[in-house]
Amino acid sequence: KQEVTQIPAALSVPEGENLVLNCSFTDSAIYNLQWFRQDPGKGLTSLLLIQSSQREQTSGRLNASLDKSSGRSTLYIAASQPGDSATYLCAVRMDSSYKLIFGSGTRLLVRP
Amino acid sequence: DAGITQSPRHKVTETGTPVTLRCHQTENHRYMYWYRQDPGHGLRLIHYSYGVKDTDKGEVSDGYSVSRSKTEDFLLTLESATSSQTSVYFCAISEPQTGSVRYGYTFGSGTRLTVV
Repeated sequence: KQEVTQIPAALSVPEGENLVLNCSFTDSAIYNLQWFRQDPGKGLTSLLLIQSSQREQTSGRLNASLDKSSGRSTLYIAASQPGDSATYLCAVRMDSSYKLIFGSGTRLLVRP
Repeated sequence: DAGITQSPRHKVTETGTPVTLRCHQTENHRYMYWYRQDPGHGLRLIHYSYGVKDTDKGEVSDGYSVSRSKTEDFLLTLESATSSQTSVYFCAISEPQTGSVRYGYTFGSGTRLTVV
């Protein structure tokens, strides 16, 4: 059974710092991996989608990497801003299914 | 997201009453999903649909039923609401791979349901 883990559960950093959020999964037979952002009381906003054949994806200040063989993905946020404060979730889709399996998230606070 | 809407946004209901949540999409995506989100449990799949009248159970389907009579609408029904079903419910859509194009998921804004 696929398990997705995100470390750390919470992170507080000063504005301007570069930071890395981690996501690990136990079964490497994934179809793709998606990073989401969730603001308090809101829905999920898709940030980046990485296909199983890709190593990384970039969007603005965000860069996500994928290492299928080691079961790891990282989300790199450059020059963090208070507006980046949110919970970040990673989710994997398995080869054999259209269902997403979520990690428990990392709650990020960027202090002014 | 503009292509997917959930209704109602908030609902308070009494234990034992039936409740139906609606998800509507304008993207013509084949796949639709219902998730619930709870503190300490994260997001868990309730039911999903892979086409009109085609549905399947997720990991927490007990006490829930779904229906999909049109591509654009996916309904989640709590037959007899219980306090353990107090949660935030999210609908999502996706499309299977077609050719070389692969899609991720898009989520709705959620329905906050309280069962008293």
